[in-house]
Amino acid sequence: EDKVVQSPLSLVVHEGDTVTLNCSYEVTNFRSLLWYKQEKKAPTFLFMLTSSGIEKKSGRLSSILDKKELFSILNITATQTGDSAVYLCAVEPGAGSYQLTFGKGTKLSVIP
Amino acid sequence: DVKVTQSSRYLVKRTGEKVFLECVQDMDHENMFWYRQDPGLGLRLIYFSYDVKMKEKGDIPEGYSVSREKKERFSLILESASTNQTSMYLCASSGGGTTNEKLFFGSGTQLSVL
Repeated sequence: EDKVVQSPLSLVVHEGDTVTLNCSYEVTNFRSLLWYKQEKKAPTFLFMLTSSGIEKKSGRLSSILDKKELFSILNITATQTGDSAVYLCAVEPGAGSYQLTFGKGTKLSVIP
Repeated sequence: DVKVTQSSRYLVKRTGEKVFLECVQDMDHENMFWYRQDPGLGLRLIYFSYDVKMKEKGDIPEGYSVSREKKERFSLILESASTNQTSMYLCASSGGGTTNEKLFFGSGTQLSVL
């Protein structure tokens, strides 16, 4: 059974702090790992990672994948209150299946 | 701009009622999904569909059924709602190909069963 584990489950930081969110996985076949941000509404796409060691970056957010150790991290630098959200990690199996396996999410709260 | 629209943002129903949750996508996607999201449990797949009139059970199909009569519309049906079906329901669609986003989500329906 495919499995995605995120840690920590929740985190409270002050504005300006840097945070690292973790995602480890066990899947039979692996095609990609995806990160989503979910505020009050629909999850929105952040990154898709397919290759080890290549950092994806968008503003203050970055992410990297380690396919040997089967994990990914999502970094947020200089956090802002607008970064408060649930961050979801999901793994896409191979062979054209779109049935993603999601982790339980990390709830990040950024306080002023 | 891509769009997945869920018909209701909030819904309150009584135990035993038949409940329909509607989802429409305007991206001509083949694949559509229904998830429920509960605190501490994350997103769990209820049903998905790869084509019109085609459906597959996900991880937690019990108590639910689905209908996909048209490509753009995927309905989730609770035949006899129960209190343990109180949850946030998220619809999603995907078309594969080269898109990096994989799943496009609707805004969710918060269902309360009293």
